[in-house]
Amino acid sequence: NAGVTQTPKFRVLKTGQSMTLLCAQDMNHEYMYWYRQDPGMGLRLIHYSVGEGTTAKGEVPDGYNVSRLKKQNFLLGLESAAPSQTSVYFCASSWDSAYEQYFGPGTRLTVT
Amino acid sequence: GQQLNQSPQSMFIQEGEDVSMNCTSSSIFNTWLWYKQDPGEGPVLLIALYKAGELTSNGRLTAQFGITRKDSFLNISASIPSDVGIYFCAGPIYNNNDMRFGAGTRLTVKP
Repeated sequence: NAGVTQTPKFRVLKTGQSMTLLCAQDMNHEYMYWYRQDPGMGLRLIHYSVGEGTTAKGEVPDGYNVSRLKKQNFLLGLESAAPSQTSVYFCASSWDSAYEQYFGPGTRLTVT
Repeated sequence: GQQLNQSPQSMFIQEGEDVSMNCTSSSIFNTWLWYKQDPGEGPVLLIALYKAGELTSNGRLTAQFGITRKDSFLNISASIPSDVGIYFCAGPIYNNNDMRFGAGTRLTVKP
């Protein structure tokens, strides 16, 4: 039982490049989330999903898109990366509420 | 947007000491969550609080849901080196799917 996994663990992009971060969970959770964490700050919610085929905006959605085509996967896309998107990105999932979330190990993204 | 204010930002304590940290908001929360994050890892849930006035323990950790529903406290008793990490308070707002996190309290424990 791997829990929540994230791919890749590290990535360096040039400004304007695009990429997709993959989150996978094997706990059959309905809810999935993408956060970003910047130094000295807590986690900020980017987008979330309450079930397969659904997505919704969180606190800081600009510059990101998401898709939930399969229940176990939640993809985060950056269409045109900017230096302000340099951050550590965490994915999380939960059963039937937003309360007890299980987090992945994070993806460290640097945009130069 | 909704803000969760955590204090202190950091703490340096001796092993064996007790620790207290808190989280406040200008808005009412119906749930308070406390997470711990170890270096290089994702946060892990420590305690969840669902009712105003609730006091819940998890081993050496005790957390309370403030009566006003605008604050919460986390206490750690008899700290040990593995308590080192960043402690976050968090809570859902609006439709209960939009989660907010405090900026964290960084705890250092000296052996």
